[in-house]
Amino acid sequence: QKEVEQDPGPLSVPEGAIVSLNCTYSNSAFQYFMWYRQYSRKGPELLMYTYSSGNKEDGRFTAQVDKSSKYISLFIRDSQPSDSATYLCAMSGGTGGFKTIFGAGTRLFVKA
Amino acid sequence: DTGVSQDPRHKITKRGQNVTFRCDPISEHNRLYWYRQTLGQGPEFLTYFQNEAQLEKSRLLSDRFSAERPKGSFSTLEIQRTEQGDSAMYLCASSADTGPRIEAFFGQGTRLTVV
Repeated sequence: QKEVEQDPGPLSVPEGAIVSLNCTYSNSAFQYFMWYRQYSRKGPELLMYTYSSGNKEDGRFTAQVDKSSKYISLFIRDSQPSDSATYLCAMSGGTGGFKTIFGAGTRLFVKA
Repeated sequence: DTGVSQDPRHKITKRGQNVTFRCDPISEHNRLYWYRQTLGQGPEFLTYFQNEAQLEKSRLLSDRFSAERPKGSFSTLEIQRTEQGDSAMYLCASSADTGPRIEAFFGQGTRLTVV
């Protein structure tokens, strides 16, 4: 079993839809939970991070962490074609040392 | 600031050759990370530097791989005797010493193809 599981998609939605992206994990020691956006043939771009549990909002993006269920989510409101990309969840901290564990990424397509 | 810079952007090499990649982090960023990403997968951790000290190295990194950050600024990643399985995108990231230890800024990566 992988430490971080993420549905690879692809996920296709119409413009303006609310998008929900999710990851599950197995290591309860993780403390930092991140979401990155990656366009084709580019490096990942950090969207937001959360420390421990709770919600965090930044513009159209909301990140949620449920440590009791080992489940994290990223919601995108009013999705735009420019949001079409691969979204990577990532986790670090605790007993995992300095490394960050990434999910495989979910490909999102937002249709105009 | 131009962000994290990686050079070259693309590299094609024959099996058995040595290759070296360079990463220039954002200036004054003490933390520097190397990752490897293959198609359809998320980045995999290779190694981490705090200034010039290499504090962690993945067990995935065989003896053919070596990384340096001699003056705590730019870093190099060398792969000796390349194999076809080394074909991947090699990513560098950096972050400041203050704040959470997360990979805040990634470069555009070096895409390696071993033929």
